[in-house]
Amino acid sequence: EPEVTQTPSHQVTQMGQEVILRCVPISNHLYFYWYRQILGQKVEFLVSFYNNEISEKSEIFDDQFSVERPDGSNFTLKIRSTKLEDSAMYFCASNPTGTNQPQHFGDGTRLSIL
Amino acid sequence: AQSVTQLGSHVSVSEGALVLLRCNYSSSVPPYLFWYVQYPNQGLQLLLKYTSAATLVKGINGFEAEFKKSETSFHLTKPSAHMSDAAEYFCAVSAPNDYKLSFGAGTTVTVRA
Repeated sequence: EPEVTQTPSHQVTQMGQEVILRCVPISNHLYFYWYRQILGQKVEFLVSFYNNEISEKSEIFDDQFSVERPDGSNFTLKIRSTKLEDSAMYFCASNPTGTNQPQHFGDGTRLSIL
Repeated sequence: AQSVTQLGSHVSVSEGALVLLRCNYSSSVPPYLFWYVQYPNQGLQLLLKYTSAATLVKGINGFEAEFKKSETSFHLTKPSAHMSDAAEYFCAVSAPNDYKLSFGAGTTVTVRA
């Protein structure tokens, strides 16, 4: 069964550094998402992406964050200048047609900011 | 805005006993509802979904959930727990024409032998 894959599984970064989290969505899916889960808290929506542009973003997704689909398979989340509070598990998800369809999630990247 | 509340952050059941995980939602429009399971060090795996068809929804691994509009609930059940059901379970809601999922806080299930 096709899977969403995320790399790396664990990223350790110094505060203030830039970090890029990578995802390969399922190949025939058109909608892509990032979520995060801070330890002990809910899974929170960050951003959705369709047709090479952001379709929706949360208030968490400020100017420090950006997303990109640099080629036909990868979908990336960049955090420009990381803060301690960015430490979390980041999940990528995708689905074929946006609303109504279940989102398929990757195994996540654990981001630790020192 | 949509939101879900999961009652009980931890549930402990005996192997073979009923599993009941509670989820109540808040939505200004007819919602789409989902249950996901997360095993240790893995991502979120879809158990089942409700998208305005049958109110009793059957999912994988013997789980099912019933949509009750009058109670704004979407509780998850499994008649007989197995050791492999030990995991964290998340209820999630979205609105039609909305892309994002809003998740509950999750319920951790432990299964006693």
